[in-house]
Amino acid sequence: DIQMTQSPSSLSASIGDRVTITCRASQDISNKLAWYQQRPGKVPNLLMYAASTLQSGVPSRFSGSGSGTDFTLTISSLQPEDVATYYCQKYNNNPWTFGQGTEVEIK
Amino acid sequence: EVQLVQSGAEVKKPGESLKISCKGSGYTFSTYWISWVRQMPGKGLEWMGIIYPGDSDTKYSPSFEGQVTMSVDKSISTAYLQWSSLKASDTAMYYCARHGRDGITGHVVYMDVWGKGTTVTVSS
Repeated sequence: DIQMTQSPSSLSASIGDRVTITCRASQDISNKLAWYQQRPGKVPNLLMYAASTLQSGVPSRFSGSGSGTDFTLTISSLQPEDVATYYCQKYNNNPWTFGQGTEVEIK
Repeated sequence: EVQLVQSGAEVKKPGESLKISCKGSGYTFSTYWISWVRQMPGKGLEWMGIIYPGDSDTKYSPSFEGQVTMSVDKSISTAYLQWSSLKASDTAMYYCARHGRDGITGHVVYMDVWGKGTTVTVSS
């Protein structure tokens, strides 16, 4: 099975900082990657799909890139409401594996 | 509005059985795959398996094969996750989530709608 590895596991940044999270697949998954945001105590929420397509209603400070095995999620200017854990997930085929998550905090 | 409504929190003893539910509304339930996702306390998301309400086709993650059973009753737009003998290690939040479909290929894609989760606590 394809493994999904995120880095870092956690990060602390200041309001307004640019934040980048990386997700690596152990095999080529084309662009079949989604990103989810889970705020503390809340339900996961779809942020992005097809590696770089923003889900409706998601702020434009979020962007995604990558294809194949290496992907990034970028927050261009970190806001207080972005405190959350972010998960990548492959959906090219079974199993629909998640990365282990990246916790984003405010410094 | 498309939504998935999950059953309420459960507190059980080890060895007991349990069936939790996930009712879909606002869309044609039988034509969208549903996944179950586990989140143990303080931990990440784990994909457990997926079921197609139209014909009950089910695929389990190897980590959960034989540990849980997924089923549906499409007549009432409801998916189920059940355990025959709970363990303390089953204590977790369980989410159901609907998968979208690729508009061109029809392939199952990402999870676009999530239920609010069902907390399961197993303790003696």
